[in-house]
Amino acid sequence: DTGVSQNPRHKITKRGQNVTFRCDPISEHNRLYWYRQTLGQGPEFLTYFQNEAQLEKSRLLSDRFSAERPKGSFSTLEIQRTEQGDSAMYLCASSLAPQGNTEAFFGQGTRLTVV
Amino acid sequence: ELKVEQNPLFLSMQEGKNYTIYCNYSTTSDRLYWYRQDPGKSLESLFVLLSNGAVKQEGRLMASLDTKARLSTLHITAAVHDLSATYFCAVVLAGKSTFGDGTTLTVKP
Repeated sequence: DTGVSQNPRHKITKRGQNVTFRCDPISEHNRLYWYRQTLGQGPEFLTYFQNEAQLEKSRLLSDRFSAERPKGSFSTLEIQRTEQGDSAMYLCASSLAPQGNTEAFFGQGTRLTVV
Repeated sequence: ELKVEQNPLFLSMQEGKNYTIYCNYSTTSDRLYWYRQDPGKSLESLFVLLSNGAVKQEGRLMASLDTKARLSTLHITAAVHDLSATYFCAVVLAGKSTFGDGTTLTVKP
C-alpha cells in the first residue's frame, strides 16, 4: 500500500460545470476526511466518514458539494455548478479510528482551477 | 469553536540561526500535530504531541506542548536552506483536525 491516493491531481474546469474527485485511502483505515486548502491558508475541514457513514459536514460544504463513500473504501467528492471561489486544493486524509494514537495520512491533493 | 493561531505567519531566517514558531489554540484537544508543506505539495507529518510536557525532536526541529497554556512551539536550531517550507500546526478534537494558517519559513544563506 503506497498511501492515500487522489485523482485527478489537477483539474481545470469552466464555471458552471460539475467535477468529481476520487480518494483511495490506506486500505485498513476506516476514517476518511476531506479538506479544502486555498492559497496562503491552512486546510479547512469539509467532511468525514467512518466506514460508509458520513459523520460530520462543515458549514463550508454548500449544497453544491456532496461526498460519498459507498462501500467504506474509496470516496468521491462532487462539486456541482462550479464557481471561481471553488478553486482550491482538495485534500483527502485517512486514519484508523478510534484508536488513541491514530494519525491521519494525507494524499497529494487535487488542485481545482475554475475558469 | 476551536481556533488555532500561529505566529509568525512569515519568517525569514539566515542559515545557522535559531527561531521558534508558536501555535496557540482555544480549547482542550486530543492531540496536536506539526506538518510541513512544500509549494504545490501535500502535508508531511513531522510530530504528534499527545500530552502535557511532550517534547519531540527530529534533526534541527524540536516540538513541545503545554496543554495548560494551550500552546505548542516548533523550535528550529541552526537553520539550513532545506528547512524552507510552510509549517502548520493542527489540533485534533473528536477526530477532526483544525489547522493554523501556517508559518512560511525562508532560510537564506
